[in-house]
Amino acid sequence: GAVVSQHPSWVICKSGTSVKIECRSLDFQATTMFWYRQFPKQSLMLMATSNEGSKATYEQGVEKDKFLINHASLTLSTLTVTSAHPEDSSFYICSARRVVSGRLLAKNIQYFGAGTRLSVL
Amino acid sequence: SQQGEEDPQALSIQEGENATMNCSYKTSINNLQWYRQNSGRGLVHLILIRSNEREKHSGRLRVTLDTSKKSSSLLITASRAADTASYFCATARTPSGNTPLVFGKGTRLSVIA
Repeated sequence: GAVVSQHPSWVICKSGTSVKIECRSLDFQATTMFWYRQFPKQSLMLMATSNEGSKATYEQGVEKDKFLINHASLTLSTLTVTSAHPEDSSFYICSARRVVSGRLLAKNIQYFGAGTRLSVL
Repeated sequence: SQQGEEDPQALSIQEGENATMNCSYKTSINNLQWYRQNSGRGLVHLILIRSNEREKHSGRLRVTLDTSKKSSSLLITASRAADTASYFCATARTPSGNTPLVFGKGTRLSVIA
């Protein structure tokens, strides 16, 4: 099955520092990855769509300069939370759609990483 | 914005009982998916039902879809303690293209042994 690895699984940082989260598709290519944010007992809120080799598409209300996304290869997207503050503390999850022979598989099934719990002190 | 709305928001049942969760959505769809999330973990795809299907089974899971009412239900039969998790329905933001999924608010299921 398709595996998405997300690292780190948990990070604690001081206010004002930056944190990088990696999302890797281990056994398939992913031209598109998605980054979500989830607060306790709530649903996933899409933050941005990460496109390999081009700029990410951010959802309304998500600060581009604060949440930097880089998708430099077909298997890796990174989310950097810059100058983190306590209100950025949340659970961040990435997902990827599977590409086979250069074509997106139909059905729009997404494969998720295990998530990163960010705590900003 | 969220498209799907699940109910109930929380459900607690005894092991062996059936659990039914409902989901409503707002726009046209090609398919609807259900995902499961264990506490503090990522989501796992459970089942997908196409817009031209009315019912689909996978093991102990049964999904129905009523496109006229824009609603779906997920039934878990003979529940087990290991089924304790949050369950989300998801639809594509737009029916076609490389589009993100929009998730409902989810149902938190607790199965008591």
